[in-house]
Amino acid sequence: QVTLRESGPALVKPTQTLTLTCTFSGFSLSTSGMCVSWIRQPPGKALEWLARIDWDDDKYYSTSLKTRLTISKDTSKNQVVLTMTNMDPVDTATYYCARATIAVAGTPTDAFDIWGQGTMVTVSS
Amino acid sequence: EIVLTQSPATLSLSPGERATLSCRASQSVSSYLAWYQQKPGQAPRLLIYDASNRATGIPARFSGSGSGTDFTLTISSLEPEDFAVYYCQQRSNWPRLYTFGQGTKLEIK
Repeated sequence: QVTLRESGPALVKPTQTLTLTCTFSGFSLSTSGMCVSWIRQPPGKALEWLARIDWDDDKYYSTSLKTRLTISKDTSKNQVVLTMTNMDPVDTATYYCARATIAVAGTPTDAFDIWGQGTMVTVSS
Repeated sequence: EIVLTQSPATLSLSPGERATLSCRASQSVSSYLAWYQQKPGQAPRLLIYDASNRATGIPARFSGSGSGTDFTLTISSLEPEDFAVYYCQQRSNWPRLYTFGQGTKLEIK
């Protein structure tokens, strides 16, 4: 069974750096075709994709946020970490991590098939 | 960057009725379009990928169609548990990006 779980601070101050961890089980990020993305959702608003890291350590970022984001993985711990610098109140949102697979038999291609439950982050002084 | 526009913003229907949700892309996304369902307080759930393929465990009443710039999610006969917000999402290969639509809220009439 594939599961993902997000963790991190519930409250950060403006200008601080946010660090979120996605801990997953049921698959390995060293397996060809596995990818993990971060997606966020401000209260009452739509979803926004932030970043993705692949099994081969390729990384992709949202065009509008790429200067503030860094994504990394620790394969031995089954974790993916997202850092976002210079946090602002508009970054208040629920942050999700989600798995996607590329050319893996029996799974959808490059769609977010398994999601974590999300972690709410509030940016306020 | 490709923009996805969903319509209508809100759709009011009764159980048993047919629901038709639309997603239009600002430029062609081929068939690289997915649909998600989100209920209050829950993470999104993948329904449809590559425009018309149902994800594992998704009931047959959900179907997707379209290609290029115009896509449709159809729910053939609404069940009480189908009332939720639905998002479409596209992927582009170069640059590697994903974008979501603004959502359609399907509410009980």
